[in-house]
Amino acid sequence: DTEVTQTPKHLVMGMTNKKSLKCEQHMGHRAMYWYKQKAKKPPELMFVYSYEKLSINESVPSRFSPECPNSSLLNLHLHALQPEDSALYLCASSQGWETNEKLFFGSGTQLSVL
Amino acid sequence: KQEVTQIPAALSVPEGENLVLNCSFTDSAIYNLQWFRQDPGKGLTSLLLIQSSQREQTSGRLNASLDKSSGRSTLYIAASQPGDSATYLCAVRGVSGANNLFFGTGTRLTVIP
Repeated sequence: DTEVTQTPKHLVMGMTNKKSLKCEQHMGHRAMYWYKQKAKKPPELMFVYSYEKLSINESVPSRFSPECPNSSLLNLHLHALQPEDSALYLCASSQGWETNEKLFFGSGTQLSVL
Repeated sequence: KQEVTQIPAALSVPEGENLVLNCSFTDSAIYNLQWFRQDPGKGLTSLLLIQSSQREQTSGRLNASLDKSSGRSTLYIAASQPGDSATYLCAVRGVSGANNLFFGTGTRLTVIP
């Protein structure tokens, strides 16, 4: 199994809603990532978890709250989002937070905030 | 800060043609370079990873080269097919900084049947 699975594939939410994005991998990877991608732009790193601990937070607003319940799962909790947060949210994983590791990406969640 | 540029931004070719996509980076102190493919609204599929000590990697009709000293990489696609139509992104892993993975802006490839 070389897949990173993300759910849901599409999500529409209002600015007062609370929702969660989910990511799962069963490759035994110990590093997991959240990226945000706007249309026709490259992905931008949001968070990195290494061995289930938050290693990097790229100054992401607190309305985005990551969680890593175990080594296979990564969640992104959303609350009070703004329309400009509409984007494709990508999860990725790698063997470790090492310098030569290959990244594997999920298919993403297309988020629309109304 | 590392800057990664991909030229051209868009490319259209007839089916069957061989083509080259370019990726350049400003800081040659890198660990590796990875090429990805992305279909519209989808995630990134890893194509090839070249370590800094390597010159090239091949997978099927794809060949990626790396010239670290000049800050350049190319992705060669042989005998292009309509199914190759997608956006191709390169990403460079630098040696400094906590967030050290830098993406290029991508080349949108269209292969015309």
